[in-house]
Amino acid sequence: AQTVTQSQPEMSVQEAETVTLSCTYDTSESDYYLFWYKQPPSRQMILVIRQEAYKQQNATENRFSVNFQKAAKSFSLKISDSQLGDAAMYFCAYRSAWGSNYKLTFGKGTLLTVNP
Amino acid sequence: DAGVIQSPRHEVTEMGQEVTLRCKPISGHDYLFWYRQTMMRGLELLIYFNNNVPIDDSGMPEDRFSAKMPNASFSTLKIQPSEPRDSAVYFCASSRDGQGVPYEQYFGPGTRLTVT
Repeated sequence: AQTVTQSQPEMSVQEAETVTLSCTYDTSESDYYLFWYKQPPSRQMILVIRQEAYKQQNATENRFSVNFQKAAKSFSLKISDSQLGDAAMYFCAYRSAWGSNYKLTFGKGTLLTVNP
Repeated sequence: DAGVIQSPRHEVTEMGQEVTLRCKPISGHDYLFWYRQTMMRGLELLIYFNNNVPIDDSGMPEDRFSAKMPNASFSTLKIQPSEPRDSAVYFCASSRDGQGVPYEQYFGPGTRLTVT
């Protein structure tokens, strides 16, 4: 079974600074997808960014980018120019690419605080 | 698009009572997922459906939990009888089919269940 580990329960960053959230995963599969979801206090789960394991190029979405290291099974999220609205719980998630297995396996989350 | 709709948003009930959570997925989505979020266990998949058929219910904790999807626009998650340890936030999510494409799972706002 796949597992996802987020080793930082909490992180803080100053507004306009850069922060990196860590995620590692364990799988025996060679093809899969990785995601970062954001959960603000409203509780709504929002997709931030996704990465296909077969792509070597790291995904980027505006101020959000990932550092995907397949051999190390590492998938970190970098938030540049942090804004107050980035304050939230961030979850890393794994999904197999095989067959029709659409199950998402989540890490325990990292609570990000943005200080003005 | 109204997004995934869940009802009720909050539910408080007494131990032993039956609880029914409801979900309306996004129109046109083929997949529907039920997740549970607790502090101890994080986000975990309970069950998911494809075209109204349950595909994986291995996450359903015990026989007290049951889920149905009578049609493409409605699903229920029932707990009978409820216990205090069932207190959690229950999320419904939907997604459309995408062989080889990691289509996003869109989450509803969740139902916060408290069992006293």
